Amino acid sequence: AQSVTQLGSHVSVSEGALVLLRCNYSSSVPPYLFWYVQYPNQGLQLLLKYTSAATLVKGINGFEAEFKKSETSFHLTKPSAHMSDAAEYFCAVSRTGNQFYFGTGTSLTVIP
Amino acid sequence: ETGVTQTPRHLVMGMTNKKSLKCEQHLGHNAMYWYKQSAKKPLELMFVYNFKEQTENNSVPSRFSPECPNSSHLFLHLHTLQPEDSALYLCASSQERASGLDEQFFGPGTRLTVL
Repeated sequence: AQSVTQLGSHVSVSEGALVLLRCNYSSSVPPYLFWYVQYPNQGLQLLLKYTSAATLVKGINGFEAEFKKSETSFHLTKPSAHMSDAAEYFCAVSRTGNQFYFGTGTSLTVIP
Repeated sequence: ETGVTQTPRHLVMGMTNKKSLKCEQHLGHNAMYWYKQSAKKPLELMFVYNFKEQTENNSVPSRFSPECPNSSHLFLHLHTLQPEDSALYLCASSQERASGLDEQFFGPGTRLTVL
């Protein structure tokens, strides 16, 4: 069975501060991992994905995530938050032939 | 049009109405999906079509009826819905269903309100 847990349904950071959004997964075999972003009134957009190549994955808009097998984590980070980063962020896990499992999402607020 | 489009963007319907949601993808993909997004809940996968064939139905009530006439179009027919069915319905597509590493491309969603 697979699942993904996002710790913290709401995260607030000051503009220019570090963004850290947490994601832990459970999977019986090495998974594929994804981060999606959803802006208000829009669908989900892929930020980045891990598919068993480099453990540090760089995505769009300055985001990156590191796959840590020992911690079963795939946390999303950005060194300096921008006002435009305010959105809902979803972590997802999948395997070959299987469906995506999404987390419950983390709402990011950026304080000016 | 590019990407995945959905119409209508907003829909208000009574419990006795019949309506349909439409999704179209312009990406040449072979797999299409319907998701339900409710507040404070994970995205719920409802239906999956791969090469126009329905491959998954995740215990969705029969008042939701999908239709996939070709690989580019996906419909969700709605009939005698309940207020708890109010949600954002998202359509997505990917190259193929079998490969879990294919990213899914999402449409903007239809905000459905059932009165």
